[in-house]
Amino acid sequence: EADIYQTPRYLVIGTGKKITLECSQTMGHDKMYWYQQDPGMELHLIHYSYGVNSTEKGDLSSESTVSRIRTEHFPLTLESARPSHTSQYLCASSGVRGGTDTQYFGPGTRLTVL
Amino acid sequence: GQQVMQIPQYQHVQEGEDFTTYCNSSTTLSNIQWYKQRPGGHPVFLIQLVKSGEVKKQKRLTFQFGEAKKNSSLHITATQTTDVGTYFCAGPGGYSTLTFGKGTMLLVSP
Repeated sequence: EADIYQTPRYLVIGTGKKITLECSQTMGHDKMYWYQQDPGMELHLIHYSYGVNSTEKGDLSSESTVSRIRTEHFPLTLESARPSHTSQYLCASSGVRGGTDTQYFGPGTRLTVL
Repeated sequence: GQQVMQIPQYQHVQEGEDFTTYCNSSTTLSNIQWYKQRPGGHPVFLIQLVKSGEVKKQKRLTFQFGEAKKNSSLHITATQTTDVGTYFCAGPGGYSTLTFGKGTMLLVSP
């Protein structure tokens, strides 16, 4: 199983709060990703990074921001949470395994904004 | 951007029945990957197909890549309750990203 961690696993907060979702991987992967997923629904890429000091916006517009200061760490921040941000946030990293560049997902953070 | 269409969106089968999900792209894909997400879990990589017409098997799961490399399928023979989950196909997006299909949710009744 992949070594990619997310904290917290569950978070319930009030509107207007600033939050940071943590994601760390110990595999030394350069590429990391953040996805937003409502239960049982499709995955939406919101941010990705090729390596340290590299961040890009994904296909789905998001009010969140990310940073990549260290290879192993890719936190996502919401400056002012709103109920529309309620969702599951999945972090992933990718690396070559058996000749295949595959993505390894963390367990996710389920965010509820009241 | 590239889109990967996946059908059906949902399927409910009795244990022991077969199941197939299909993935289609409007453009030729260099490769296609399949992931499984258990209820309440996260996506887990299953397999990658690269060659035109490629067929790969993992126990009761059979993966196919079309001759034109625009479509793919996942077939499960004799489903079990452990097969429950959502199956996603994914094609290459831009800049080392993946474009995921919307997924097929499989429910298996004992």
